[in-house]
Amino acid sequence: QKEVEQDPGPLSVPEGAIVSLNCTYSNSAFQYFMWYRQYSRKGPELLMYTYSSGNKEDGRFTAQVDKSSKYISLFIRDSQPSDSATYLCAMARGAQKLVFGQGTRLTINP
Amino acid sequence: GAVVSQHPSRVICKSGTSVKIECRSLDFQATTMFWYRQFPKQSLMLMATSNEGSKATYEQGVEKDKFLINHASLTLSTLTVTSAHPEDSSFYICSASGSDWEQFFGPGTRLTVL
Repeated sequence: QKEVEQDPGPLSVPEGAIVSLNCTYSNSAFQYFMWYRQYSRKGPELLMYTYSSGNKEDGRFTAQVDKSSKYISLFIRDSQPSDSATYLCAMARGAQKLVFGQGTRLTINP
Repeated sequence: GAVVSQHPSRVICKSGTSVKIECRSLDFQATTMFWYRQFPKQSLMLMATSNEGSKATYEQGVEKDKFLINHASLTLSTLTVTSAHPEDSSFYICSASGSDWEQFFGPGTRLTVL
C-alpha cells in the first residue's frame, strides 16, 4: 500500500465548475499537508499548505484536512482554463521530507 | 516565493556517458536540497537529500554510485548521472529549503539517454 493515494484522473470539467481533488494517506504521523500545482514540463509550485487538521482558504482555493479519516481535499471554485494542470498532494511527517501523491491531471474546458 | 533554477533544462546523451545537472537557489541560502525523479504521468520520487557540506542521504533503492550528489555551497547542488543508460531517462527536479520547512522547486531537467 502506498503511503499517499491520489486518483490520477484525468479530470475534465467545464469552466466555472467547482473542482474537488482528494488524497488519502496511511501514515498517521503526517503533520504537514500540501497541494502543489505542476504545469507540463515544469517544477511543482506550492498552492496551499495546512499544518495538522482543519480548513484553509485562499481566494478560489480551499484546502481541507481530516486527520481522523486520513483524507485531504482541495476545492477550486469558479475554475478557469488557466487552472488546467496536474495537482499533487504532498505530506510530511517532519519539516521536510515530502511524500507525494501520484498527481491528478485537471483540464478546465472553456 | 524563492527562486530555484536548474541547468540544463533538457539534455540528450549517449548511453554510457555521464551527465551533470545543476540546481541553484538564486535568492536565498539553501541549507538543504532535494533531488527527485519523475517518470511520465507519475509522481515525484525523492532520490536523495543533501545538506551543504555533508554527504547526501539517499533513499532506499537509489544507487549512490550512479547518482552522485554534491552540495558544495549554500546555493548550489549538482546531480551527476554516471554511465547513463536509457532507463535513466526521466525528468529530474531539485528543490531547496532554507531555514523553514518549505521547499522551492526548480523547473526540472529532462534527461534522454539514447
